[in-house]
Amino acid sequence: GAVVSQHPSRVICKSGTSVKIECRSLDFQATTMFWYRQFPKQSLMLMATSNEGSKATYEQGVEKDKFLINHASLTLSTLTVTSAHPEDSSFYICSANGDETGGSNQPQHFGDGTRLSIL
Amino acid sequence: GNSVTQMEGPVTLSEEAFLTINCTYTATGYPSLFWYVQYPGEGLQLLLKATKADDKGSNKGFEATYRKETTSFHLEKGSVQVSDSAVYFCALTGGNKLIFGTGTLLAVQP
Repeated sequence: GAVVSQHPSRVICKSGTSVKIECRSLDFQATTMFWYRQFPKQSLMLMATSNEGSKATYEQGVEKDKFLINHASLTLSTLTVTSAHPEDSSFYICSANGDETGGSNQPQHFGDGTRLSIL
Repeated sequence: GNSVTQMEGPVTLSEEAFLTINCTYTATGYPSLFWYVQYPGEGLQLLLKATKADDKGSNKGFEATYRKETTSFHLEKGSVQVSDSAVYFCALTGGNKLIFGTGTLLAVQP
């Protein structure tokens, strides 16, 4: 149980393109999902917390207008990298709590990540 | 604030060697502690967890014990395999967020 699916797994596109990444909870409902960015050989950096039916909460230093997050349903959150540039190239990972009733003690379950390469 | 400190890698071991990856934390309150594993090109998978002091999490031969007195959650395995080669992340809960250590690359050689 508690499977999180992320799509696409890899994107290569030209500078200036907007790219949408989807994160789905397949067998559970997730009112909260998280978006991370990971640079090569580094840890995960939390970008934002995605809240179903309301605005996302962004971490300090993350541009809201650059990284648009939409959480329109209990099983889907999307991250759109707008007007992407080479410096946006990275590995983006989403996650969701496996059991919303368990509170913060429950583990997060991660998608397989999206490798974004901007040429 | 809450933070996690992991030993730097890479850790290179021969197959069947004993593994320890150190993890210490700083936290207010009583966080839950986790170990996640990331295989090349993939997302993170939960390896094990512990939710209170003296709890021992275990999975696939890996173990870690929540030590409040030393604020540690060291990962151990008695006999590693080549397939264990991956990056291991120690993490704790801070509110509804996860706070990660920097990750430790483990390379197991046949």
